[in-house]
Amino acid sequence: SQTIHQWPATLVQPVGSPLSLECTVEGTSNPNLYWYRQAAGRGLQLLFYSVGIGQISSEVPQNLSASRPQDRQFILSSKKLLLSDSGFYLCAWSPTGLSTEAFFGQGTRLTVV
Amino acid sequence: GQSLEQPSEVTAVEGAIVQINCTYQTSGFYGLSWYQQHDGGAPTFLSYNALDGLEETGRFSSFLSRSDSYGYLLLQELQMKDSASYFCAVRDRGFQKLVFGTGTRLLVSP
Repeated sequence: SQTIHQWPATLVQPVGSPLSLECTVEGTSNPNLYWYRQAAGRGLQLLFYSVGIGQISSEVPQNLSASRPQDRQFILSSKKLLLSDSGFYLCAWSPTGLSTEAFFGQGTRLTVV
Repeated sequence: GQSLEQPSEVTAVEGAIVQINCTYQTSGFYGLSWYQQHDGGAPTFLSYNALDGLEETGRFSSFLSRSDSYGYLLLQELQMKDSASYFCAVRDRGFQKLVFGTGTRLLVSP
């Protein structure tokens, strides 16, 4: 069966510090991968998506970046965090093809102080 | 671009029926899906409509009208545990991009 791991679950970082959030998927190959951010009580904002190794599409220009160094690994990074980067970050995967079913990691609650 | 609009909040009592609407605008359409998210948790998949009509899965049903760019999620026999946020979502741009609606917070009271 397929599983998705995302860590850490919570993170408190000072303004200006770097960020690295990692997500890995097991039990499937060549998944579509996604990073979303959710502010408290709000919707899911798509940040990045990837259809293959090294292929990253950015939805929102900001001080975040994403990388996919391996087929089932997706990393969200920042060189210098801003207060506005605080939020709930969710990694997700979906099979390639017509399915719109996506599977989410448990999320990382990031607080920038 | 894509946009999906939902009511921000819906309230209902246990045992009732509630409908959560979603209207969408998208370039290319490959189906409408619904997700449930409890506070502090991750979204989980509920249902998917690729064609017009009603899809039933237990207490939950989902409807799609492609000509109206509209769908809804119907929740029957509401239970307290159904209190959560509900999101519609579409896949766009060659099946690659999954975009979510604004979300509807459902509050079920005794």
